[in-house]
Amino acid sequence: GENVEQHPSTLSVQEGDSAVIKCTYSDSASNYFPWYKQELGKGPQLIIDIRSNVGEKKDQRIAVTLNKTAKHFSLHITETQPEDSAVYFCAASVMSNTGKLIFGQGTTLQVKP
Amino acid sequence: KAGVTQTPRYLIKTRGQQVTLSCSPISGHRSVSWYQQTPGQGLQFLFEYFSETQRNKGNFPGRFSGRQFSNSRSEMNVSTLELGDSALYLCASWDSGNTIYFGEGSWLTVV
Repeated sequence: GENVEQHPSTLSVQEGDSAVIKCTYSDSASNYFPWYKQELGKGPQLIIDIRSNVGEKKDQRIAVTLNKTAKHFSLHITETQPEDSAVYFCAASVMSNTGKLIFGQGTTLQVKP
Repeated sequence: KAGVTQTPRYLIKTRGQQVTLSCSPISGHRSVSWYQQTPGQGLQFLFEYFSETQRNKGNFPGRFSGRQFSNSRSEMNVSTLELGDSALYLCASWDSGNTIYFGEGSWLTVV
């Protein structure tokens, strides 16, 4: 079945540095790739998403890149701030018009002031 | 616009009991999906509903069930609770653009 691998599991950066989280998916039919941020005690919050017909998408300090050939997508956060500290999840969907997502294992990002 | 609303936020149940969790999707969203989140297994898909019909189901035992009402609100039920059912249960709703939004979740502890 579909599988999503996420690395690293933990990431510690200094405030102002960049952070990169990488995910690999197994099913080449996957066509939707969202990223979620989850703070302690809260539900996952969508921060950015990308579809298979786009290679890169940017929203202020956050960007996502997709390499369909390698079945790989990445989250880039620039100028990190302490409030970026959270658990980040990548996900993939193999079907259109579905709420079924396959999630990566999560990355705990710590931004040190 | 209000987000996905889940109730109750926290609950404690005893092994063997059953539990019902409720979810109200974002206004205008007709689709709802449910997930279980645990430290060991991460986020796992339970099932999803569209227009009161279950469309997809994850790999969970039959003790886990759900339904959706005509107003798009959804409930999930877990019968004969086991200690391993302790988890954060998340509801998500989505629109035709496939953007999926999650609620804050219901924390279930089974003792």
